[in-house]
Amino acid sequence: EDQVTQSPEALRLQEGESSSLNCSYTVSGLRGLFWYRQDPGKGPEFLFTLYSAGEEKEKERLKATLTKKESFLHITAPKPEDSATYLCAVLTGGGNKLTFGTGTQLKVEL
Amino acid sequence: EPEVTQTPSHQVTQMGQEVILRCVPISNHLYFYWYRQILGQKVEFLVSFYNNEISEKSEIFDDQFSVERPDGSNFTLKIRSTKLEDSAMYFCASSTWGRKETQYFGPGTRLLVL
Repeated sequence: EDQVTQSPEALRLQEGESSSLNCSYTVSGLRGLFWYRQDPGKGPEFLFTLYSAGEEKEKERLKATLTKKESFLHITAPKPEDSATYLCAVLTGGGNKLTFGTGTQLKVEL
Repeated sequence: EPEVTQTPSHQVTQMGQEVILRCVPISNHLYFYWYRQILGQKVEFLVSFYNNEISEKSEIFDDQFSVERPDGSNFTLKIRSTKLEDSAMYFCASSTWGRKETQYFGPGTRLLVL
Protein backbone atom coordinates (compact mmCIF):
# COMPACT_ATOMS: atom_id res chain seq x y z
CA GLU A 1 0.00 0.00 0.00
CA ASP A 2 1.27 3.45 -0.90
CA GLN A 3 2.35 5.56 2.05
CA VAL A 4 3.04 9.28 2.23
CA THR A 5 4.50 10.81 5.38
CA GLN A 6 4.95 14.52 5.92
CA SER A 7 7.10 16.20 8.53
CA PRO A 8 7.01 18.17 10.64
CA GLU A 9 3.30 18.09 11.49
CA ALA A 10 3.46 21.76 12.43
CA LEU A 11 6.06 24.47 11.95
CA ARG A 12 6.21 27.96 13.32
CA LEU A 13 8.57 30.43 11.63
CA GLN A 14 9.39 34.06 12.03
CA GLU A 15 8.91 36.20 8.95
CA GLY A 16 12.04 35.86 6.81
CA GLU A 17 13.17 32.61 8.49
CA SER A 18 13.68 30.06 5.70
CA SER A 19 12.92 26.37 6.20
CA SER A 20 11.98 23.13 4.47
CA LEU A 21 9.02 20.78 4.65
CA ASN A 22 9.52 17.09 3.98
CA CYS A 23 7.38 14.54 2.17
CA SER A 24 8.69 10.98 2.17
CA TYR A 25 6.94 8.26 0.24
CA THR A 26 6.90 4.49 -0.11
CA VAL A 27 5.06 3.65 -3.29
CA SER A 28 5.18 1.33 -6.24
CA GLY A 29 5.60 3.16 -9.52
CA LEU A 30 5.55 6.87 -8.82
CA ARG A 31 3.98 8.74 -11.72
CA GLY A 32 3.90 12.15 -10.14
CA LEU A 33 4.23 14.01 -6.85
CA PHE A 34 2.04 17.04 -6.18
CA TRP A 35 2.25 19.85 -3.67
CA TYR A 36 -0.89 21.70 -2.65
CA ARG A 37 -1.60 24.51 -0.24
CA GLN A 38 -4.76 24.34 1.88
CA ASP A 39 -6.19 27.23 3.83
CA PRO A 40 -8.63 26.47 6.68
CA GLY A 41 -12.03 25.39 5.39
CA LYS A 42 -10.91 25.58 1.76
CA GLY A 43 -9.98 23.15 -0.99
CA PRO A 44 -6.39 22.21 -1.86
CA GLU A 45 -4.78 24.79 -4.13
CA PHE A 46 -2.27 23.42 -6.64
CA LEU A 47 1.36 24.49 -6.29
CA PHE A 48 3.71 22.08 -8.11
CA THR A 49 3.95 18.79 -9.95
CA LEU A 50 7.21 16.81 -9.99
CA TYR A 51 7.61 13.74 -12.18
CA SER A 52 11.16 12.44 -11.84
CA ALA A 53 14.05 12.41 -9.37
CA GLY A 54 16.22 15.48 -9.70
CA GLU A 55 13.41 17.68 -10.89
CA GLU A 56 12.92 21.10 -9.29
CA LYS A 57 10.12 23.66 -9.60
CA GLU A 58 10.01 27.20 -8.27
CA LYS A 59 7.30 29.77 -7.68
CA GLU A 60 7.89 32.99 -5.77
CA ARG A 61 9.22 32.02 -2.31
CA LEU A 62 8.59 28.29 -2.82
CA LYS A 63 10.83 25.66 -4.38
CA ALA A 64 9.98 21.96 -4.64
CA THR A 65 12.53 19.21 -5.20
CA LEU A 66 12.22 15.46 -5.71
CA THR A 67 14.45 12.46 -5.01
CA LYS A 68 13.65 8.77 -5.31
CA LYS A 69 12.40 8.63 -1.74
CA GLU A 70 11.25 12.11 -0.78
CA SER A 71 10.34 15.61 -1.78
CA PHE A 72 11.13 18.89 -0.10
CA LEU A 73 9.24 22.14 -0.21
CA HIS A 74 11.69 24.92 0.55
CA ILE A 75 10.28 28.22 1.75
CA THR A 76 12.63 31.18 1.42
CA ALA A 77 12.03 34.33 3.49
CA PRO A 78 8.42 33.43 4.27
CA LYS A 79 5.72 36.01 4.91
CA PRO A 80 2.62 35.72 7.14
CA GLU A 81 0.48 35.12 4.04
CA ASP A 82 2.39 31.86 3.48
CA SER A 83 0.70 30.49 6.60
CA ALA A 84 -1.35 27.44 5.54
CA THR A 85 -1.28 23.65 5.55
CA TYR A 86 0.94 22.24 2.81
CA LEU A 87 -0.14 18.90 1.41
CA CYS A 88 1.90 16.39 -0.52
CA ALA A 89 0.18 13.80 -2.73
CA VAL A 90 1.38 11.01 -5.01
CA LEU A 91 -0.03 9.49 -8.17
CA THR A 92 1.01 5.85 -8.57
CA GLY A 93 0.27 2.65 -10.41
CA GLY A 94 -2.24 2.57 -13.22
CA GLY A 95 -5.03 4.52 -11.62
CA ASN A 96 -5.83 8.19 -11.20
CA LYS A 97 -6.21 8.53 -7.46
CA LEU A 98 -4.05 10.85 -5.42
CA THR A 99 -2.77 9.53 -2.09
CA PHE A 100 -2.27 12.40 0.32
CA GLY A 101 -0.06 12.89 3.35
CA THR A 102 -1.45 14.45 6.51
CA GLY A 103 0.13 17.80 5.75
CA THR A 104 2.41 20.30 7.48
CA GLN A 105 0.67 23.19 9.18
CA LEU A 106 2.87 26.25 8.70
CA LYS A 107 2.47 29.46 10.67
CA VAL A 108 4.62 32.47 9.82
CA GLU A 109 4.68 35.20 12.43
CA LEU A 110 5.77 38.83 12.23
CA GLU B 1 -8.81 31.73 -14.43
CA PRO B 2 -11.10 28.69 -14.73
CA GLU B 3 -11.95 26.99 -11.47
CA VAL B 4 -13.96 24.12 -10.07
CA THR B 5 -17.11 25.24 -8.26
CA GLN B 6 -19.19 23.32 -5.73
CA THR B 7 -22.63 23.74 -4.21
CA PRO B 8 -23.79 23.94 -1.54
CA SER B 9 -20.90 25.20 0.57
CA HIS B 10 -22.53 23.74 3.69
CA GLN B 11 -25.17 21.06 4.12
CA VAL B 12 -26.75 19.80 7.32
CA THR B 13 -28.85 16.64 7.14
CA GLN B 14 -30.41 14.04 9.36
CA MET B 15 -29.00 10.53 9.51
CA GLY B 16 -30.66 8.32 6.94
CA GLN B 17 -31.46 11.14 4.54
CA GLU B 18 -30.19 11.36 0.98
CA VAL B 19 -27.88 14.19 -0.05
CA ILE B 20 -26.63 15.32 -3.42
CA LEU B 21 -23.46 17.34 -3.68
CA ARG B 22 -22.91 19.27 -6.88
CA CYS B 23 -19.81 20.27 -8.78
CA VAL B 24 -19.06 22.14 -11.97
CA PRO B 25 -15.63 20.99 -13.20
CA ILE B 26 -13.33 23.13 -15.35
CA SER B 27 -14.90 23.21 -18.78
CA ASN B 28 -12.28 21.46 -20.94
CA HIS B 29 -11.47 18.80 -18.35
CA LEU B 30 -12.34 15.18 -18.99
CA TYR B 31 -11.60 13.42 -15.67
CA PHE B 32 -13.61 14.13 -12.55
CA TYR B 33 -13.02 13.10 -8.96
CA TRP B 34 -14.51 13.16 -5.50
CA TYR B 35 -12.38 13.23 -2.36
CA ARG B 36 -13.34 13.72 1.25
CA GLN B 37 -11.57 15.04 4.33
CA ILE B 38 -12.84 14.19 7.78
CA LEU B 39 -12.00 16.93 10.25
CA GLY B 40 -8.35 16.73 11.27
CA GLN B 41 -7.57 13.85 8.90
CA LYS B 42 -5.99 13.50 5.50
CA VAL B 43 -7.70 14.00 2.17
CA GLU B 44 -9.01 10.62 0.93
CA PHE B 45 -9.88 9.52 -2.59
CA LEU B 46 -13.44 8.35 -3.21
CA VAL B 47 -13.95 7.94 -6.95
CA SER B 48 -12.77 8.96 -10.40
CA PHE B 49 -15.05 9.31 -13.43
CA TYR B 50 -14.26 9.42 -17.13
CA ASN B 51 -16.33 9.08 -20.26
CA ASN B 52 -19.55 8.72 -18.26
CA GLU B 53 -18.40 5.85 -16.13
CA ILE B 54 -16.47 5.18 -12.94
CA SER B 55 -12.82 4.52 -13.72
CA GLU B 56 -11.65 3.85 -10.16
CA LYS B 57 -13.16 3.82 -6.69
CA SER B 58 -11.91 3.34 -3.14
CA GLU B 59 -13.19 1.02 -0.43
CA ILE B 60 -15.02 3.99 1.08
CA PHE B 61 -17.14 4.32 -2.05
CA ASP B 62 -19.67 1.61 -1.26
CA ASP B 63 -23.24 1.07 -2.49
CA GLN B 64 -24.44 4.10 -0.54
CA PHE B 65 -22.51 6.37 -2.89
CA SER B 66 -23.12 7.12 -6.54
CA VAL B 67 -21.86 9.65 -9.07
CA GLU B 68 -23.44 11.08 -12.15
CA ARG B 69 -22.80 13.60 -14.88
CA PRO B 70 -26.41 14.58 -15.58
CA ASP B 71 -25.54 17.14 -18.24
CA GLY B 72 -22.54 18.69 -19.97
CA SER B 73 -21.41 20.75 -17.03
CA ASN B 74 -22.45 19.22 -13.69
CA PHE B 75 -20.95 16.30 -11.78
CA THR B 76 -22.76 15.04 -8.71
CA LEU B 77 -22.10 12.81 -5.70
CA LYS B 78 -25.13 11.21 -4.09
CA ILE B 79 -25.13 9.62 -0.67
CA ARG B 80 -28.31 7.56 -0.39
CA SER B 81 -28.66 7.09 3.35
CA THR B 82 -26.28 9.26 5.29
CA LYS B 83 -24.49 8.06 8.41
CA LEU B 84 -22.90 10.09 11.18
CA GLU B 85 -19.47 9.07 9.89
CA ASP B 86 -20.20 10.65 6.50
CA SER B 87 -19.70 14.06 8.11
CA ALA B 88 -16.72 15.56 6.30
CA MET B 89 -15.59 18.09 3.70
CA TYR B 90 -16.22 16.74 0.22
CA PHE B 91 -14.02 18.02 -2.55
CA CYS B 92 -14.61 17.73 -6.26
CA ALA B 93 -11.61 17.84 -8.58
CA SER B 94 -11.01 17.69 -12.31
CA SER B 95 -8.12 17.21 -14.70
CA THR B 96 -7.60 17.38 -18.43
CA TRP B 97 -6.40 13.81 -18.68
CA GLY B 98 -5.88 11.14 -16.03
CA ARG B 99 -2.42 9.77 -16.52
CA LYS B 100 -0.19 12.47 -15.06
CA GLU B 101 -2.17 15.62 -15.17
CA THR B 102 -2.72 17.93 -12.25
CA GLN B 103 -6.03 17.63 -10.44
CA TYR B 104 -7.63 20.98 -9.59
CA PHE B 105 -9.86 21.06 -6.55
CA GLY B 106 -13.02 22.94 -5.74
CA PRO B 107 -13.67 24.81 -2.47
CA GLY B 108 -15.55 21.89 -0.95
CA THR B 109 -18.93 21.15 0.61
CA ARG B 110 -19.00 20.75 4.36
CA LEU B 111 -21.49 17.99 5.17
CA LEU B 112 -22.76 17.56 8.70
CA VAL B 113 -24.91 14.53 9.50
CA LEU B 114 -26.90 14.76 12.72
